[in-house]
Amino acid sequence: GENVEQHPSTLSVQEGDSAVIKCTYSDSASNYFPWYKQELGKGPQLIIDIRSNVGEKKDQRIAVTLNKTAKHFSLHITETQPEDSAVYFCAASGARGSTLGRLYFGRGTQLTVWP
Amino acid sequence: DAGVTQSPTHLIKTRGQQVTLRCSPKSGHDTVSWYQQALGQGPQFIFQYYEEEERQRGNFPDRFSGHQFPNYSSELNVNALLLGDSALYLCASSLEGGHQPQHFGDGTRLSIL
Repeated sequence: GENVEQHPSTLSVQEGDSAVIKCTYSDSASNYFPWYKQELGKGPQLIIDIRSNVGEKKDQRIAVTLNKTAKHFSLHITETQPEDSAVYFCAASGARGSTLGRLYFGRGTQLTVWP
Repeated sequence: DAGVTQSPTHLIKTRGQQVTLRCSPKSGHDTVSWYQQALGQGPQFIFQYYEEEERQRGNFPDRFSGHQFPNYSSELNVNALLLGDSALYLCASSLEGGHQPQHFGDGTRLSIL
């Protein structure tokens, strides 16, 4: 099945700086890649997603890039704020019949933004 | 517009017991997926329900079973609980059709003593 690797596991930045989280996937057939933010005691919240027919997508301070050839995708957060502090997960959606729609998650990145 | 709701929020059980967790999907969604999230890990897919049938299943034993009702709500049942079943159980709902965004509830924290 699909294998998703995520780096770094922890990331500390100063308020106002940018943060980048990187993920790789193994199944070249995967074609949907969501990112989730999980705060303490809460479930994962979808913050942005990208499909394989698009190389980049932006939503205000958040952007995601996808390199299908290299099988990696990244989350970019600009002008970070303390409220961005949380655990971020990348995921890839299975593309084959038996795995279609199933999300495979990375192990998460704990982002801390210092005021 | 209510999002995904799960109950109960916390549960404590002992080894060998069985447990039922419940999920109501986001309004308009017809597909429910269940995930297990161990401490410090990403969620792991358990199974997915659509049209009241299990459509896909992850690498979990038969002790894990589920059900979807005509109103699209769903239950996750776990029998013969083991210490290793202690985790956060997450429900996600979506529209049917492959790569549809999945929206998660806040989960049920299950502790096995």
